[in-house]
Amino acid sequence: SQKIEQNSEALNIQEGKTATLTCNYTNYSPAYLQWYRQDPGRGPVFLLLIRENEKEKRKERLKVTFDTTLKQSLFHITASQPADSATYLCALKNTGNQFYFGTGTSLTVIP
Amino acid sequence: GAVVSQHPSRVICKSGTSVKIECRSLDFQATTMFWYRQFPKQSLMLMATSNEGSKATYEQGVEKDKFLINHASLTLSTLTVTSAHPEDSSFYICSARTTGGQETQYFGPGTRLLVL
Repeated sequence: SQKIEQNSEALNIQEGKTATLTCNYTNYSPAYLQWYRQDPGRGPVFLLLIRENEKEKRKERLKVTFDTTLKQSLFHITASQPADSATYLCALKNTGNQFYFGTGTSLTVIP
Repeated sequence: GAVVSQHPSRVICKSGTSVKIECRSLDFQATTMFWYRQFPKQSLMLMATSNEGSKATYEQGVEKDKFLINHASLTLSTLTVTSAHPEDSSFYICSARTTGGQETQYFGPGTRLLVL
């Protein structure tokens, strides 16, 4: 069956440290993978997109890697801040037009 | 960036009534919009893909007669939850994809539905 799993339901880290979130997928062949941030009671906000032929993408304090052999993407937030606390979702676009989301990881950055 | 709005943001209704939720792309045209539902502490579940001028494509297990989707223009899609029941209570979120080869989808703020 098809699955998109994110490493843990919740992750707590100290301010200033690097947060690393994992997204693993099974039985998908995504053309690309995206990461979103969702705050409580709000819709997701797009952060980064990485294509199947790209190994790494960066945007300010964010870094995403994509390993199609391992079927895994890693999402890093460096120099984390309390304002980074949110739920982070990975999503992949399969061969059709649709996007499918992972289970989400709730990140809390402790001051 | 592109803005997507939803209306209403919150609705409470009695069991058996129908509820319409609107999704609008405010500053761009969207030939394709998506409808998701999200239960507390869970991820987004794709319900259907809404295509302008044609019938929506529903995901497996989603009743098309229960969740009516109409994509009447390039900026508006509506989701009607017919004969709503308490188990339909959820957070409904739409997203719109920009045209012209853009791959990013922009999400609305969501609609919280509570069926009593």
